[in-house]
Amino acid sequence: NAGVTQTPKFQVLKTGQSMTLQCAQDMNHNSMYWYRQDPGMGLRLIYYSASEGTTDKGEVPNGYNVSRLNKREFSLRLESAAPSQTSVYFCASSGQLDGTEAFFGQGTRLTVV
Amino acid sequence: GENVEQHPSTLSVQEGDSAVIKCTYSDSASNYFPWYKQELGKRPQLIIDIRSNVGEKKDQRIAVTLNKTAKHFSLHITETQPEDSAVYFCAASRYGGSQGNLIFGKGTKLSVKP
Repeated sequence: NAGVTQTPKFQVLKTGQSMTLQCAQDMNHNSMYWYRQDPGMGLRLIYYSASEGTTDKGEVPNGYNVSRLNKREFSLRLESAAPSQTSVYFCASSGQLDGTEAFFGQGTRLTVV
Repeated sequence: GENVEQHPSTLSVQEGDSAVIKCTYSDSASNYFPWYKQELGKRPQLIIDIRSNVGEKKDQRIAVTLNKTAKHFSLHITETQPEDSAVYFCAASRYGGSQGNLIFGKGTKLSVKP
């Protein structure tokens, strides 16, 4: 029972490079989320997907794109990384339609130099 | 959209004392209010949650209260222990239908001194 799995755990990028963070859940959840966590800023919602086939912007979507590939997978793409995107990224999922607990992945520590 | 304010940002208590963390939300349609605990270097994990049809919920030393009229909710930890030291986040969301966002407060760093 893996829960929410994120890859990679660590990544260093040069400014302007692109990358995709992968997230998969095995709990048959409808909703999936991407957050970034910066010191003193809490968890800020980048994008979310309330159900398969839909995605919506969160609080800080600029510089990111997402794909809900299927019910299990929700990826986050940085097309042209900037130092301001240095952060810890968390993916989460929940059975949102009935208001249940959100489970988080282990996080990805991304550094853009 | 929803906005969640959380206070205080840091809280230091003596072991055995109580700790209270308060949050306010802006969207009156929000109906689900979870609290998460995050230990250093780890992922956030749910410790307690409350739905809008309930005013209070308890789980051993932890309790949450909700005032829908004032749009605020609070976390109460009694008989604090050193292992309660962590960052605590409140959150608000709407469930049901197509609404799926989950918005967090900025967190409270709780330190319990032995």
